[in-house]
Amino acid sequence: GDSVTQMEGPVTLSEEAFLTINCTYTATGYPSLFWYVQYPGEGLQLLLKATKADDKGSNKGFEATYRKETTSFHLEKGSVQVSDSAVYFCALLPGDYKLSFGAGTTVTVRA
Amino acid sequence: EPEVTQTPSHQVTQMGQEVILRCVPISNHLYFYWYRQILGQKVEFLVSFYNNEISEKSEIFDDQFSVERPDGSNFTLKIRSTKLEDSAMYFCASSERTGGGAEQYFGPGTRLTVT
Repeated sequence: GDSVTQMEGPVTLSEEAFLTINCTYTATGYPSLFWYVQYPGEGLQLLLKATKADDKGSNKGFEATYRKETTSFHLEKGSVQVSDSAVYFCALLPGDYKLSFGAGTTVTVRA
Repeated sequence: EPEVTQTPSHQVTQMGQEVILRCVPISNHLYFYWYRQILGQKVEFLVSFYNNEISEKSEIFDDQFSVERPDGSNFTLKIRSTKLEDSAMYFCASSERTGGGAEQYFGPGTRLTVT
């Protein structure tokens, strides 16, 4: 079935460091791919998305490229801030309704 | 900016009791969802709802669960007879459309604790 495998955390970084969170997926067809972020004490917020191969989603300095050949959607940010500390979820939408989530990666950025 | 709201933020109930979790989706959205996250596990899809009908449900969504849109703004999840294993964070979400790239917007969640 459809599934998402996400890099395990936790990840701890210093401010201004480069962040990569790996995400690979298994799906039939052409799913849409998403990154959601959950800040402490809050709900899931959509961070970015991509709907077809080679699409790049971007938001708030984060980027992810839909790579069909490697079935991946890795999240990157060039220079993280303390405010980026959160749990990041990769998700795929293979059909109309059901989002399938990865396990989440906890990122802590230290000043 | 419009947002999905959920009440209560935390609900404690005894095993066997009925609970109703409430959600107010974004006002112009037509598709509604419930997900849950058991502590330490993945966020899991429960059910989607459109035009007053369930459009898709997971194997988790058995006969003890039901959903309803009782009026023009609320969307509820009822658990008829709670079990210990129902303890989880329950998220409501809504979207304007479905299919490729449709963005689902999530509420802050209701933490359900069954004792």
